[in-house]
Amino acid sequence: GQNIDQPTEMTATEGAIVQINCTYQTSGFNGLFWYQQHAGEAPTFLSYNVLDGLEEKGRFSSFLSRSKGYSYLLLKELQMKDSASYLCAVRDAPGATNKLIFGTGTLLAVQP
Amino acid sequence: EPEVTQTPSHQVTQMGQEVILRCVPISNHLYFYWYRQILGQKVEFLVSFYNNEISEKSEIFDDQFSVERPDGSNFTLKIRSTKLEDSAMYFCASSDGQGIGYTFGSGTRLTVV
Repeated sequence: GQNIDQPTEMTATEGAIVQINCTYQTSGFNGLFWYQQHAGEAPTFLSYNVLDGLEEKGRFSSFLSRSKGYSYLLLKELQMKDSASYLCAVRDAPGATNKLIFGTGTLLAVQP
Repeated sequence: EPEVTQTPSHQVTQMGQEVILRCVPISNHLYFYWYRQILGQKVEFLVSFYNNEISEKSEIFDDQFSVERPDGSNFTLKIRSTKLEDSAMYFCASSDGQGIGYTFGSGTRLTVV
């Protein structure tokens, strides 16, 4: 079956660093996405990994290990506006589908 | 920055009624999708559309659902006879030729009463 696991909730302090983990077991793999979602809004693209290693984009970095079925999203210099849900999503096997399989999301609360 | 546009933002409908949710994907994208998110739950895939036909649909996408690309810009999701459990946020998305650049619209909140 398809399974993507993330912690349900995390709390961190403004200015700190937080790492949100994601493990996956899917029948196919053609890339992993991280999205940010504020309550009642659309998921907003943060990062995409298809090869092993670290992708850095400003305050956000994402890491992938395909052999371990593992990814993490690293958020640095946390700001209050980073309080949101962070969604890990795996793109299914290549082809005409390209569907994304989402985890349940990690609700991050940034405290002053 | 290009965006996916969805209308309406909110829709309230009576059980058994038909609804059509509308989307304008990013103009040079080739793949189009509908997802839904029931309140407090994860985002779920409904259907993908490529080259003017459905490429995959989930078990949620039963005979009550249909999609259409009536012209070169719009992409619609129709629910023929809504049920209470269809109440959710419906997101349209589109992606480029490699299936990357995956962009979601702002969603339509559907409430079935």
